[in-house]
Amino acid sequence: KAGVTQTPRYLIKTRGQQVTLSCSPISGHRSVSWYQQTPGQGLQFLFEYFSETQRNKGNFPGRFSGRQFSNSRSEMNVSTLELGDSALYLCASRLLVAGGKDEQFFGPGTRLTVL
Amino acid sequence: DAKTTQPTSMDCAEGRAANLPCNHSTISGNEYVYWYRQIHSQGPQYIIHGLKNNETNEMASLIITEDRKSSTLILPHATLRDTAVYYCIVRGENNAGNMLTFGGGTRLMVKP
Repeated sequence: KAGVTQTPRYLIKTRGQQVTLSCSPISGHRSVSWYQQTPGQGLQFLFEYFSETQRNKGNFPGRFSGRQFSNSRSEMNVSTLELGDSALYLCASRLLVAGGKDEQFFGPGTRLTVL
Repeated sequence: DAKTTQPTSMDCAEGRAANLPCNHSTISGNEYVYWYRQIHSQGPQYIIHGLKNNETNEMASLIITEDRKSSTLILPHATLRDTAVYYCIVRGENNAGNMLTFGGGTRLMVKP
């Protein structure tokens, strides 16, 4: 079974531009979450989508948005890029099961550099 | 979700057991302890989780104290490929939410 895939793997943008990152979850997984990882702040939760609906949102400005499609693939968008948005953006998918096990499968990430 | 405290870094000799501690003194009764690790330049990887009983799988063992205020992840025979940042996370059984709150983690260095 293929793992979580993210495209592109690397991206360079300039301040003020916007960017769209893509994530394809493991087949059958309907929950997709996004995280931002920076050296200063570590791993921070951005948002989660399940069945095309945003269920949770972290403490990020409105410039960060996302969506999920009917096939569970997800995209996140960052508008008006700032230097501080340079980070590794990670996508995670999970198969919702009752009983406590909450194994999330992370993709390799997209490394965004804002110049 | 309860906050966790982990040492910033640890060293371990190759072939020896690596014991990574985690304090979660404010854990509540329905919260689980999860361990993930992140090898350099990769996404985090699930290792193990538990509620109150000790758990073991092919990767590691998880020992949770009786009062559940702390736990230890044990890698029985550490290899160089186990060098990574290890995150201890506490969260409730909540299928309505998928947020993992990562702390700073422990940077484990396995040395030959």
